[in-house]
Amino acid sequence: GAVVSQHPSRVICKSGTSVKIECRSLDFQATTMFWYRQFPKKSLMLMATSNEGSKATYEQGVEKDKFLINHASLTLSTLTVTSAHPEDSSFYICSAYYPGGPGELFFGEGSRLTVL
Amino acid sequence: AQKVTQAQTEISVVEKEDVTLDCVYETRDTTYYLFWYKQPPSGELVFLIRRNSFDEQNEISGRYSWNFQKSTSSFNFTITASQVVDSAVYFCALSAYNAGNNRKLIWGLGTSLAVNP
Repeated sequence: GAVVSQHPSRVICKSGTSVKIECRSLDFQATTMFWYRQFPKKSLMLMATSNEGSKATYEQGVEKDKFLINHASLTLSTLTVTSAHPEDSSFYICSAYYPGGPGELFFGEGSRLTVL
Repeated sequence: AQKVTQAQTEISVVEKEDVTLDCVYETRDTTYYLFWYKQPPSGELVFLIRRNSFDEQNEISGRYSWNFQKSTSSFNFTITASQVVDSAVYFCALSAYNAGNNRKLIWGLGTSLAVNP
């Protein structure tokens, strides 16, 4: 079945540094990918919709300069957390719809970011 | 407004008990989709089921079953003879139909299920 993969699964960084998270669709092409953020024991919050070859669409309240999204190919979207701070520590999850499928989202394994 | 309510924050059962997770939704769309996802402690979200608004048939998959009732705007999920491996957070979600694939999922807050041996 469709597989979405994220890397890295865990990352620890110092405050002020930037961190890049990759999201790949392994057996299908995804023109659109979605980036979610999940706080402990909380629901998923959609951060942005990543569109291949164009700018991402950010949800209200999400800083686009803070969370840079690049969707340079049909199988890869990246989320870069710039100048990370401890409050950016969270679980970030990407997802994509399988084209032509019944409409369910397939999710990556998630990336847990800890900013010290 | 579109909204998904999972009133049960946490449920704890003993292995082999049946358990039902409730999901109530609100939407003004006539065409929509409902989903259930499982998030085990590892964090990965696992798709369980998708149901469109025109299909009110109940579904059974092994120990899992779903009861969709448009009259009460509910899409409840039952696990029969629960097992420890069922311990996870379960999310109900609503997607409104749009042309193309840029649909937005509205998520419930999740129900944390603990199945104790």
